[in-house]
Amino acid sequence: AQSVTQLDSHVSVSEGTPVLLRCNYSSSYSPSLFWYVQHPNKGLQLLLKYTSAATLVKGINGFEAEFKKSETSFHLTKPSAHMSDAAEYFCVVTTPAAGNKLTFGGGTRVLVKP
Amino acid sequence: GAVVSQHPSRVICKSGTSVKIECRSLDFQATTMFWYRQFPKQSLMLMATSNEGSKATYEQGVEKDKFLINHASLTLSTLTVTSAHPEDSSFYICSAPGTTSIQYFGAGTRLSVL
Repeated sequence: AQSVTQLDSHVSVSEGTPVLLRCNYSSSYSPSLFWYVQHPNKGLQLLLKYTSAATLVKGINGFEAEFKKSETSFHLTKPSAHMSDAAEYFCVVTTPAAGNKLTFGGGTRVLVKP
Repeated sequence: GAVVSQHPSRVICKSGTSVKIECRSLDFQATTMFWYRQFPKQSLMLMATSNEGSKATYEQGVEKDKFLINHASLTLSTLTVTSAHPEDSSFYICSAPGTTSIQYFGAGTRLSVL
């Protein structure tokens, strides 16, 4: 079985300040982990993925995430928020045993204040 | 990168009518596609796995006679919401797995049943 918990349903930051979105996962097997972003009424765009290679993963738009097996975490960070980062972010897990089925976290809505 | 096209982006229909949503992988083949439902301000919930040339696999609690899925080719899956009612109003999203375990998402379909 696999599950994902996003610890914050909402995060509010000021433009130019760091962003931290927290994600913890549970998996019986070696997981693949993803962060996706969704802008209002849009589909999901992949920010980055972890698939058992380097534990620090760099993605698009300045985002990065670190896989920490000991903490079962995959937190997403960005050093400096931009207004265009305001969106919903989903942490997602899958394993080979799950047959490509994705399990989504509850989502974190990011608000960026000018 | 791989592209998944979903059509229509928005549909408004009368109660009791059926609505068909198409999901196409434009530059890759997908023997499996996934259909999700998303309620406002909530995460994505997997409805079913669409399998090319065979029956779809539905998640627990999803009515297969209500949500008909057809995956007739390696690039096209359709979801038909039969006899739609207002409670079926939602945002429906499809995805298809590409290489390296990444899922590519359609832009979503906003269904409003009057």
